[in-house]
Amino acid sequence: EVQVVESGGGLVQPGGSLRLSCAASGFTFSDHYMNWVRQAPGKGLEWVGRIRNKLNSYTTEYAASVKARFTISRDDSKNSVYLQMNSLKSEDTALYYCVRKAVADGSLDYWGQGTLVTVSS
Amino acid sequence: QSVLTQPPSASGTPGQRVTISCSGSSSNIGTNNVYWYQQLPGTAPKLLIYRNNQRPSGVPDRFSGSKSGTSASLAISGLRSEDEGDYYCGAWDGSLSGYVFGTGTKVTVL
Repeated sequence: EVQVVESGGGLVQPGGSLRLSCAASGFTFSDHYMNWVRQAPGKGLEWVGRIRNKLNSYTTEYAASVKARFTISRDDSKNSVYLQMNSLKSEDTALYYCVRKAVADGSLDYWGQGTLVTVSS
Repeated sequence: QSVLTQPPSASGTPGQRVTISCSGSSSNIGTNNVYWYQQLPGTAPKLLIYRNNQRPSGVPDRFSGSKSGTSASLAISGLRSEDEGDYYCGAWDGSLSGYVFGTGTKVTVL
């Protein structure tokens, strides 16, 4: 069974940092691109960024709203992907989902349950 | 700020057909596949339609998708109470080099 489980959320002050983790199981993790998607309370979905697989040099892409502040990395030996968030702002408050991209197309086909990040003083 | 535009709400009585539109541009829907996601209350989103009109295994054939030019639509036929929730379209945007979601549509079963 495919599973992705996020962890690491919590309360952080504006300007602070936080690192989210996502542990995957039930599939060949190294084959897949992995994404982070967030959802502010009561709002819609916003794509944060993604990391490609080894075949595609682990390259990353980010939404303009987080570029230069957030960094996505992965460790295929641990079937894990990470989101390092720096210079956090109140508008980064959201539920952060770890999401697998299908190999065959652009489907975001498996979503975790999310981890909540609250940026507040 | 969402790049893909959806109506904020749609509703119908049980058994009716409901259609949700998704309007984009040449850099996203116009050149790439469209995906639809269903988010039931209190749960994570789930892939509902992929490659414009394909259903993952387990998704009822009451759900169907289509695409024409820079717009797409999701139809729910034989509406059921368990279909109540939020629906989002999504696509890769070549100009932004990023994935974009629609503004979301809340479906209510009257």
